[in-house]
Amino acid sequence: TQLLEQSPQFLSIQEGENLTVYCNSSSVFSSLQWYRQEPGEGPVLLVTVVTGGEVKKLKRLTFQFGDARKDSSLHITAAQPGDTGLYLCAGAEGGGNKLTFGTGTQLKVEL
Amino acid sequence: DTEVTQTPKHLVMGMTNKKSLKCEQHMGHRAMYWYKQKAKKPPELMFVYSYEKLSINESVPSRFSPECPNSSHVFLHLHTLQPEDSALYLCASCLSGTGIYEQFFGPGTRLTVL
Repeated sequence: TQLLEQSPQFLSIQEGENLTVYCNSSSVFSSLQWYRQEPGEGPVLLVTVVTGGEVKKLKRLTFQFGDARKDSSLHITAAQPGDTGLYLCAGAEGGGNKLTFGTGTQLKVEL
Repeated sequence: DTEVTQTPKHLVMGMTNKKSLKCEQHMGHRAMYWYKQKAKKPPELMFVYSYEKLSINESVPSRFSPECPNSSHVFLHLHTLQPEDSALYLCASCLSGTGIYEQFFGPGTRLTVL
């Protein structure tokens, strides 16, 4: 069973601070997705990375896929209260239609 | 139409009731998923339908039974549930066959079993 470990598990910061969330595995994934989920709602897809070393930017969010396609990071610049939520990475195995979800990072951004 | 919809939004049921959750999408996706999620935990996969056939059943108790009548709809039938089955039930869909398995989630059904 593939595992995706996220760190940190919990993060509470002030508005305007920067942060990085890590998603690590010993297994190789064909693609990796990042989701954000608010309480009582479904996860919302933020980005998909496919190529090793790939970097994608979404406004203040920067996503990177590791060269070996085993790990990924999410960096948020100048965090805002609207960034609060549960961040989940999820990796896809090649040839299958099943995602392995990370353990999750609960982010709280306070004024 | 670019979303996955789920009904009902909230459901409260007794342990002896029978109820069904509904999920639909009109994006032409051919894989559909049911997940169970406890608070602040990642979703746990329950079932996967691929091209309307049940392709994955993650050893889910028989009190949960899925149904896929066509490529746009899946149901999750519930009967004689236990209080520990209370959770957020999520449906997702994916454009299968591309090699990139982006799943799009519905808003979920918040289930409470009394």
